[in-house]
Formats: sequence, C-alpha cells, structure tokens
Amino acid sequence: SQQGEEDPQALSIQEGENATMNCSYKTSINNLQWYRQNSGRGLVHLILIRSNEREKHSGRLRVTLDTSKKSSSLLITASRAADTASYFCATEYGNNRLAFGKGNQVVVIP
Amino acid sequence: DVKVTQSSRYLVKRTGEKVFLECVQDMDHENMFWYRQDPGLGLRLIYFSYDVKMKEKGDIPEGYSVSREKKERFSLILESASTNQTSMYLCASSGGQGQRHEQYFGPGTRLTVT
Repeated sequence: SQQGEEDPQALSIQEGENATMNCSYKTSINNLQWYRQNSGRGLVHLILIRSNEREKHSGRLRVTLDTSKKSSSLLITASRAADTASYFCATEYGNNRLAFGKGNQVVVIP
Repeated sequence: DVKVTQSSRYLVKRTGEKVFLECVQDMDHENMFWYRQDPGLGLRLIYFSYDVKMKEKGDIPEGYSVSREKKERFSLILESASTNQTSMYLCASSGGQGQRHEQYFGPGTRLTVT
C-alpha cells in the first residue's frame, strides 16, 4: 500500500508556537500533498510538493520532502487557534490517485 | 472557486435499503472520487472515474457501485445498506486546465445505517 503515515498522531500547542508533523510513505510517488480537515467537514488542499523538490513554502506553511527516506514534514509557524484541525498527508501515484495517511489532530490553545 | 457539493450532510437509512449519494462539481473536472472516512483508518478510496461513463475500483469497492452519466455528477450507490457502511462519505474532484493534481472535496455525508 502507498498509504502515508503521519507522526505524531495528536499535538497540542499554545498559540504562537510552531507545529511540526511528519509523514512517511512506502513506494515511489509523483508528488506529496497536505490537506487540512476542520471538524466534521471536507478536506482542504494546503500544499503540494513534487518528487523532484526538497522544500516548499506557502504563507506560514513549510513542507519538506526527502525521497531517499520516503518522508515529508509539515511545519506550521506562529500557530493560531484557527489552525486547530486534522492534517493529512497524501501521496499521489498513478493517475491522480491519492493514498492518505490516518491524520494528525492538532489543537492550538489560545 | 471550485465547488463540490454533496446531496446530504446527514443521512439515516435502514439495513437493506438502497442508498444513493450524489456529488456534483462545477469546474469541469475530469476526475471524480468517492472515499469513506472512519476513525483510525483515515480516508479509503471506494471508486473513482476519469471520464463520463468510466469507473474504476478503488481499495474498498465491495458493497458499492457508482454511476457517472454526466461529467459533473458522480453517484455512489449502496445496493443493500449494511451497518458496517455507517461512515463519513467524501466526494472529490480534480483535473481541468493544466491537469491540476490537488483534489477538491465536498463537505461530506455522514451516513448512519440502522
């Protein structure tokens, strides 16, 4: 299975702190994506990093990809209460098929 | 903005009933997907479609079928609902100009089968 696995599974931090999540996967990928899900809602795409990229930034998000270790990390800087959500990594393989990890629950305490 | 809509947010059905979950996207995307989401298991792909009248099985297709008669609409069908199909169902779409890879999700349908 391609399925990504996030680590840690749950994270509780104070507002203003940084949050880091890791994801590992098993086989070759086209790209790796991170999604956010607010409680009981659909997923929202955050950022995509291609297999030939090592780092990517988008606002307060920083994603790294290490294809030799088959792992990625998502860093959220200066967290806000609104960042409270579940975060999923997803690896793309084949024709736009995504394999999702089980998700990280992040709670940002105001 | 891309909009993916699902016919119901909450649905309660009885065991053995035939259940239709509808999904509509308004961005002329070629690709559409149905997932189910369960605690501790993440998202699992049920079926997907790359074009009208085309469908492919995902990782857990048993007990489900799909229909894609029009490009914008992708329906998930539970032929005879069972209690183990109680779950959150998420529809997604992707594609369009430049073949963008990110998927756009609907709000989800929480189905309870009693």
